[in-house]
Amino acid sequence: ETGVTQTPRHLVMGMTNKKSLKCEQHLGHNAMYWYKQSAKKPLELMFVYNFKEQTENNSVPSRFSPECPNSSHLFLHLHTLQPEDSALYLCASSRLGGGDNQPQHFGDGTRLSIL
Amino acid sequence: DQQVKQNSPSLSVQEGRISILNCDYTNSMFDYFLWYKKYPAEGPTFLISISSIKDKNEDGRFTVFLNKSAKHLSLHIVPSQPGDSAVYFCAARGSGAGSYQLTFGKGTKLSVIP
Repeated sequence: ETGVTQTPRHLVMGMTNKKSLKCEQHLGHNAMYWYKQSAKKPLELMFVYNFKEQTENNSVPSRFSPECPNSSHLFLHLHTLQPEDSALYLCASSRLGGGDNQPQHFGDGTRLSIL
Repeated sequence: DQQVKQNSPSLSVQEGRISILNCDYTNSMFDYFLWYKKYPAEGPTFLISISSIKDKNEDGRFTVFLNKSAKHLSLHIVPSQPGDSAVYFCAARGSGAGSYQLTFGKGTKLSVIP
């Protein structure tokens, strides 16, 4: 599925680096999400944007900073990360409202490794 | 505490037979349930969903059953095919404010043996 595109697919960075993850959706959705998947843990929701407004921040450390300039693009800015932040970061999008249950559609993720 | 549990980390099934993946949940406010399938190096792909007003939803070889009183749902795949080998995630969503948030299980790795 190419509806949700994430770049880069792999990222290795040192703890003092600053990098950004990018997500773009071509599905006409109005909500976008960042999830983290660590080894042997369920997907954990990090942030939710609904019509470009952040509506959820699940106690995520400030070293993760999301940005949603429009309903099709979502960024996750990273700085001074820790080794335990190494994980798969997944972006998703969905259509909210309209009275129907709509599933979230995921990108292929960015595999992040912190040295 | 996990609100969505997939107690079987893995399952092996012969090709052509039925695969049954199970999921239990604890939050009675969940009213929409989804199954996702994930291949290595890819993101989860939506497979099938069910609303709490139903007890069964079918889509081709895939059927999801919901037992609200037992807080249990299952995904049946019949007949199973080698291409079905993947990790399957159960997810649940509540109603009302914040209902866009999905809670996921840890996943069950299905292996379909030719």
